[in-house]
Amino acid sequence: EIVMTQSPATLSVSPGERATLSCRASHSISINLAWYQQKPGQAPRLLIYGASTRATGFPARFSGSGSGTEFTLTISSLQSEDFAVYYCQQYNNWPLYTFGQGTKLEIK
Amino acid sequence: QVQLQESGPGLVKPSETLSLTCQVSGGSVSSGRFYWSWIRQPPGRGLEWIGDVYYSGTTNYNPSLKSRVTISVDTSKNQFSLKLSSVTADDTAVYYCARLVIVSTIPSWFDPWGQGTLVTVSS
Repeated sequence: EIVMTQSPATLSVSPGERATLSCRASHSISINLAWYQQKPGQAPRLLIYGASTRATGFPARFSGSGSGTEFTLTISSLQSEDFAVYYCQQYNNWPLYTFGQGTKLEIK
Repeated sequence: QVQLQESGPGLVKPSETLSLTCQVSGGSVSSGRFYWSWIRQPPGRGLEWIGDVYYSGTTNYNPSLKSRVTISVDTSKNQFSLKLSSVTADDTAVYYCARLVIVSTIPSWFDPWGQGTLVTVSS
Protein backbone atom coordinates (compact mmCIF):
# COMPACT_ATOMS: atom_id res chain seq x y z
CA GLU A 1 0.00 0.00 0.00
CA ILE A 2 1.23 3.47 -0.85
CA VAL A 3 0.98 5.79 2.14
CA MET A 4 0.23 9.44 1.43
CA THR A 5 1.41 11.96 4.02
CA GLN A 6 0.23 15.55 3.97
CA SER A 7 1.78 18.49 5.76
CA PRO A 8 1.06 20.53 7.65
CA ALA A 9 -2.09 19.18 9.28
CA THR A 10 -3.35 22.74 9.71
CA LEU A 11 -2.19 25.84 7.86
CA SER A 12 -3.20 29.32 8.98
CA VAL A 13 -2.95 31.95 6.25
CA SER A 14 -4.36 35.44 5.81
CA PRO A 15 -6.64 36.27 2.87
CA GLY A 16 -4.65 37.51 -0.08
CA GLU A 17 -1.55 35.58 0.93
CA ARG A 18 -0.06 32.48 -0.67
CA ALA A 19 -0.67 28.98 0.68
CA THR A 20 1.56 25.99 -0.01
CA LEU A 21 0.36 22.49 0.89
CA SER A 22 2.53 19.38 0.63
CA CYS A 23 1.80 15.74 -0.11
CA ARG A 24 4.39 12.98 0.01
CA ALA A 25 4.05 9.42 -1.28
CA SER A 26 5.83 6.48 0.34
CA HIS A 27 6.78 5.18 -3.11
CA SER A 28 7.07 6.86 -6.47
CA ILE A 29 3.70 7.48 -8.11
CA SER A 30 4.89 9.37 -11.20
CA ILE A 31 2.26 12.10 -11.71
CA ASN A 32 -0.68 9.89 -10.77
CA LEU A 33 -1.97 12.25 -8.11
CA ALA A 34 -5.21 14.12 -7.55
CA TRP A 35 -6.17 16.88 -5.11
CA TYR A 36 -9.64 17.43 -3.66
CA GLN A 37 -11.21 20.35 -1.82
CA GLN A 38 -13.73 19.64 0.94
CA LYS A 39 -15.79 22.33 2.63
CA PRO A 40 -17.69 21.69 5.88
CA GLY A 41 -20.74 19.50 5.38
CA GLN A 42 -19.94 18.92 1.71
CA ALA A 43 -18.48 16.12 -0.36
CA PRO A 44 -14.93 16.39 -1.64
CA ARG A 45 -14.61 18.04 -5.04
CA LEU A 46 -11.94 17.21 -7.60
CA LEU A 47 -9.48 20.09 -7.83
CA ILE A 48 -6.36 18.81 -9.60
CA TYR A 49 -5.55 15.61 -11.52
CA GLY A 50 -2.39 14.38 -13.17
CA ALA A 51 -0.56 16.32 -10.44
CA SER A 52 -0.97 19.65 -12.24
CA THR A 53 -4.14 19.81 -14.37
CA ARG A 54 -6.85 21.96 -12.89
CA ALA A 55 -10.38 20.56 -12.88
CA THR A 56 -13.32 22.43 -14.36
CA GLY A 57 -14.56 25.33 -12.28
CA PHE A 58 -11.41 26.14 -10.34
CA PRO A 59 -9.61 29.41 -11.01
CA ALA A 60 -6.00 29.82 -12.06
CA ARG A 61 -4.87 30.77 -8.55
CA PHE A 62 -4.88 27.03 -7.82
CA SER A 63 -1.86 25.15 -9.14
CA GLY A 64 -0.34 21.74 -8.59
CA SER A 65 3.19 20.53 -9.13
CA GLY A 66 5.51 17.63 -8.45
CA SER A 67 6.24 14.09 -9.53
CA GLY A 68 7.59 10.91 -8.02
CA THR A 69 7.09 11.22 -4.27
CA GLU A 70 6.82 14.98 -3.64
CA PHE A 71 3.83 17.10 -4.59
CA THR A 72 2.65 20.62 -3.87
CA LEU A 73 -0.67 22.43 -4.08
CA THR A 74 -0.30 26.20 -4.23
CA ILE A 75 -3.03 28.78 -3.88
CA SER A 76 -1.53 32.06 -4.99
CA SER A 77 -3.84 34.62 -3.36
CA LEU A 78 -6.28 33.17 -0.88
CA GLN A 79 -9.91 34.09 -1.15
CA SER A 80 -12.46 33.50 1.61
CA GLU A 81 -14.02 30.61 -0.30
CA ASP A 82 -10.69 28.75 -0.42
CA PHE A 83 -10.60 27.97 3.29
CA ALA A 84 -11.34 24.25 3.42
CA VAL A 85 -9.70 20.87 3.88
CA TYR A 86 -7.53 19.60 1.03
CA TYR A 87 -6.79 15.93 0.36
CA CYS A 88 -4.34 14.30 -2.01
CA GLN A 89 -5.01 10.88 -3.55
CA GLN A 90 -2.75 8.54 -5.48
CA TYR A 91 -3.96 6.34 -8.33
CA ASN A 92 -0.65 4.87 -9.39
CA ASN A 93 -1.19 1.75 -7.30
CA TRP A 94 -4.68 0.98 -8.63
CA PRO A 95 -6.92 -0.65 -7.70
CA LEU A 96 -5.84 0.33 -4.19
CA TYR A 97 -6.42 4.07 -4.00
CA THR A 98 -5.16 5.91 -0.95
CA PHE A 99 -5.68 9.41 0.37
CA GLY A 100 -3.61 11.67 2.55
CA GLN A 101 -5.01 12.60 5.94
CA GLY A 102 -5.80 16.12 4.77
CA THR A 103 -4.59 19.66 5.39
CA LYS A 104 -7.01 22.11 6.95
CA LEU A 105 -6.50 25.59 5.52
CA GLU A 106 -7.82 28.11 8.01
CA ILE A 107 -8.05 31.87 8.18
CA LYS A 108 -5.27 33.54 10.15
CA GLN B 1 -24.11 16.76 -15.96
CA VAL B 2 -23.95 13.54 -14.02
CA GLN B 3 -25.19 13.51 -10.43
CA LEU B 4 -24.98 10.79 -7.78
CA GLN B 5 -27.27 10.36 -4.79
CA GLU B 6 -26.80 7.92 -1.92
CA SER B 7 -29.72 6.38 -0.06
CA GLY B 8 -30.19 3.88 2.73
CA PRO B 9 -30.68 3.52 6.49
CA GLY B 10 -28.90 6.02 8.68
CA LEU B 11 -28.74 3.65 11.63
CA VAL B 12 -27.51 0.07 11.62
CA LYS B 13 -27.13 -2.28 14.58
CA PRO B 14 -23.79 -3.89 15.39
CA SER B 15 -23.20 -7.24 13.64
CA GLU B 16 -25.82 -6.42 10.99
CA THR B 17 -25.31 -5.53 7.33
CA LEU B 18 -25.07 -1.96 6.08
CA SER B 19 -26.79 -1.49 2.71
CA LEU B 20 -26.62 1.63 0.55
CA THR B 21 -27.61 2.47 -2.99
CA CYS B 22 -26.26 5.16 -5.30
CA GLN B 23 -28.62 6.48 -7.95
CA VAL B 24 -26.91 7.93 -11.01
CA SER B 25 -28.64 10.61 -13.08
CA GLY B 26 -27.49 12.57 -16.11
CA GLY B 27 -25.24 9.72 -17.18
CA SER B 28 -25.17 5.94 -17.51
CA VAL B 29 -23.52 3.34 -15.28
CA SER B 30 -23.18 1.31 -18.47
CA SER B 31 -20.56 3.69 -19.83
CA GLY B 32 -17.28 1.87 -20.33
CA ARG B 33 -15.39 5.06 -19.45
CA PHE B 34 -15.96 4.81 -15.71
CA TYR B 35 -15.92 2.64 -12.64
CA TRP B 36 -18.39 3.35 -9.83
CA SER B 37 -16.99 3.65 -6.32
CA TRP B 38 -17.74 3.82 -2.63
CA ILE B 39 -15.61 5.89 -0.25
CA ARG B 40 -16.17 6.56 3.44
CA GLN B 41 -15.15 9.19 5.96
CA PRO B 42 -15.44 8.59 9.71
CA PRO B 43 -16.51 11.70 11.63
CA GLY B 44 -13.66 14.21 11.78
CA ARG B 45 -11.30 11.93 9.90
CA GLY B 46 -9.92 11.26 6.43
CA LEU B 47 -11.11 9.37 3.38
CA GLU B 48 -10.98 5.61 2.82
CA TRP B 49 -11.67 3.94 -0.52
CA ILE B 50 -13.97 0.94 -0.03
CA GLY B 51 -14.23 -0.49 -3.53
CA ASP B 52 -15.64 -0.10 -7.01
CA VAL B 53 -17.61 -1.83 -9.73
CA TYR B 54 -17.56 -1.75 -13.54
CA TYR B 55 -20.74 -1.96 -15.60
CA SER B 56 -19.83 -5.58 -16.43
CA GLY B 57 -19.93 -6.46 -12.74
CA THR B 58 -16.16 -6.58 -12.26
CA THR B 59 -15.27 -5.40 -8.78
CA ASN B 60 -12.24 -4.24 -6.81
CA TYR B 61 -12.16 -3.99 -3.03
CA ASN B 62 -9.91 -2.50 -0.38
CA PRO B 63 -8.08 -5.49 1.14
CA SER B 64 -8.80 -4.16 4.63
CA LEU B 65 -12.55 -4.55 4.03
CA LYS B 66 -12.67 -7.20 1.32
CA SER B 67 -14.01 -10.00 3.52
CA ARG B 68 -17.08 -7.92 4.44
CA VAL B 69 -17.84 -5.90 1.30
CA THR B 70 -20.00 -6.55 -1.72
CA ILE B 71 -20.51 -3.94 -4.44
CA SER B 72 -22.91 -4.58 -7.29
CA VAL B 73 -24.35 -2.69 -10.25
CA ASP B 74 -27.87 -2.67 -11.68
CA THR B 75 -27.72 -1.25 -15.19
CA SER B 76 -31.51 -1.47 -15.65
CA LYS B 77 -32.01 0.93 -12.74
CA ASN B 78 -28.85 2.95 -13.43
CA GLN B 79 -27.59 2.45 -9.90
CA PHE B 80 -25.00 0.62 -7.88
CA SER B 81 -24.99 -0.66 -4.32
CA LEU B 82 -22.82 -1.35 -1.30
CA LYS B 83 -23.23 -4.04 1.32
CA LEU B 84 -20.94 -4.15 4.36
CA SER B 85 -21.51 -7.04 6.71
CA SER B 86 -20.80 -7.58 10.41
CA VAL B 87 -20.59 -3.86 11.12
CA THR B 88 -19.16 -2.38 14.32
CA ALA B 89 -18.94 1.14 15.69
CA ASP B 90 -15.74 1.58 13.65
CA ASP B 91 -17.88 1.51 10.52
CA THR B 92 -19.71 4.68 11.54
CA ALA B 93 -18.95 7.16 8.79
CA VAL B 94 -20.27 9.33 6.00
CA TYR B 95 -20.47 7.06 2.97
CA TYR B 96 -19.95 8.63 -0.44
CA CYS B 97 -20.51 7.19 -3.87
CA ALA B 98 -18.36 8.58 -6.65
CA ARG B 99 -17.56 8.08 -10.31
CA LEU B 100 -14.06 6.79 -10.98
CA VAL B 101 -12.70 8.13 -14.23
CA ILE B 102 -10.77 5.78 -16.54
CA VAL B 103 -7.87 7.40 -18.36
CA SER B 104 -5.95 5.36 -20.93
CA THR B 105 -7.43 2.16 -19.42
CA ILE B 106 -6.34 3.18 -15.90
CA PRO B 107 -9.01 4.03 -13.29
CA SER B 108 -7.75 7.28 -11.86
CA TRP B 109 -9.60 10.04 -10.00
CA PHE B 110 -13.02 10.40 -8.42
CA ASP B 111 -15.36 12.90 -10.03
CA PRO B 112 -18.08 13.73 -9.19
CA TRP B 113 -19.11 12.61 -5.71
CA GLY B 114 -22.52 12.18 -4.18
CA GLN B 115 -23.43 14.40 -1.24
CA GLY B 116 -22.78 11.57 1.20
CA THR B 117 -24.92 9.85 3.79
CA LEU B 118 -24.11 9.37 7.46
CA VAL B 119 -24.43 5.82 8.69
CA THR B 120 -24.22 5.29 12.44
CA VAL B 121 -23.63 1.84 13.88
CA SER B 122 -25.29 1.62 17.27
CA SER B 123 -27.69 -0.57 19.17
